[in-house]
Amino acid sequence: ETGVTQSPTHLIKTRGQQVTLRCSSQSGHNTVSWYQQALGQGPQFIFQYYREEENGRGNFPPRFSGLQFPNYSSELNVNALELDDSALYLCASSLGQMQETQYFGPGTRLLVL
Amino acid sequence: GESVGLHLPTLSVQEGDNSIINCAYSNSASDYFIWYKQESGKGPQFIIDIRSNMDKRQGQRVTVLLNKTVKHLSLQIAATQPGDSAVYFCAETPWFGNEKLTFGTGTRLTIIP
Repeated sequence: ETGVTQSPTHLIKTRGQQVTLRCSSQSGHNTVSWYQQALGQGPQFIFQYYREEENGRGNFPPRFSGLQFPNYSSELNVNALELDDSALYLCASSLGQMQETQYFGPGTRLLVL
Repeated sequence: GESVGLHLPTLSVQEGDNSIINCAYSNSASDYFIWYKQESGKGPQFIIDIRSNMDKRQGQRVTVLLNKTVKHLSLQIAATQPGDSAVYFCAETPWFGNEKLTFGTGTRLTIIP
């Protein structure tokens, strides 16, 4: 059984650019959640995907968007990057739409200059 | 708004001693609570969870206590080891089936050899 994986591990972008982050869920998990973790803070919920459809969204602007694919992997897209988007982006997978334990990947560290 | 907070941002404990990390929550409708451990450069790692119909739950060297009267959660780690050094987060969801985890800021636990 493989755990949650994310790519890339680190990324540097400039303000105004667009970025795509990728996540492969744990084997057998059909639900993926994305979180943003600023330095020294706890993770903040961005959105969740269940069976390829968005299933809840946190307080993030529309320039944060996502996709989930038939194999349950997922992408997080951020347009028009701002300096405050610099953070660790975490993906978590779980089994099912009902509350199940969310298992996190190692994250992607994004730096916006 | 509703929030999950931690009493102490840092905690230092002698190796072999027991440690207690505390967490206060403000949402009386919170139903499910989880403790995560996050080591430097890694994603949060699930430690233990507890539902609101329980007061105590034990795992391997860890115990979670829930006091719904005062909306307080604690994580006890017995016989601490150097590998326990990390940031610990409590997280909650308001009801079973809700997709969003709300995290606190975190407590940094340092084990002194």
